[in-house]
Amino acid sequence: GENVEQHPSTLSVQEGDSAVIKCTYSDSASNYFPWYKQELGKRPQLIIDIRSNVGEKKDQRIAVTLNKTAKHFSLHITETQPEDSAVYFCAANPYSSASKIIFGSGTRLSIRP
Amino acid sequence: GAVVSQHPSWVICKSGTSVKIECRSLDFQATTMFWYRQFPKQSLMLMATSNEGSKATYEQGVEKDKFLINHASLTLSTLTVTSAHPEDSSFYICSARDPSLPIPGELFFGEGSRLTVL
Repeated sequence: GENVEQHPSTLSVQEGDSAVIKCTYSDSASNYFPWYKQELGKRPQLIIDIRSNVGEKKDQRIAVTLNKTAKHFSLHITETQPEDSAVYFCAANPYSSASKIIFGSGTRLSIRP
Repeated sequence: GAVVSQHPSWVICKSGTSVKIECRSLDFQATTMFWYRQFPKQSLMLMATSNEGSKATYEQGVEKDKFLINHASLTLSTLTVTSAHPEDSSFYICSARDPSLPIPGELFFGEGSRLTVL
């Protein structure tokens, strides 16, 4: 089955700097890669996603890149702000189920003032 | 976006009792819902896929007799933890797909239910 690995597990950056979180997946047939943000005590929410037919997608300060050959995808947050502090999860859909989502282990991002 | 509501948000029970958690899609009909378990500071582990009108599909290692899932209507899925033990204490969170959106696509999560078994 699909296995999604994520690193780092924790990340601390200075406010205004960039943060990068990296993930790898095992199922070469996966075609959907979402990123979810979970603030303390709240439900996970989708912040950006990318499908396998594109290599990069950007939404304001957030961007995601996908390397299908290497089975890598990354989240980039620029000009980080205090409200970016949260746990971020990458995910992928396994070939066995188009709608099912398997999550990575999560990255706890802290923004230092 | 679509709204998913989960109840109760927290529950404490005695060892050996059963606990039911409800997951509702409020503004859309969800033919498929997903149940996840989240340990403190850990990831969302998929337990099972709940299918309206049919049996749930469980992930490897998840005991179907322990975690009973029922998806009797297009807006409600329930997870029953049977004969709960302290090791079942965890954060259970459901999610649902809005069938009007592309597949694969965004999952909408409930608020989660924190279960503590004494």
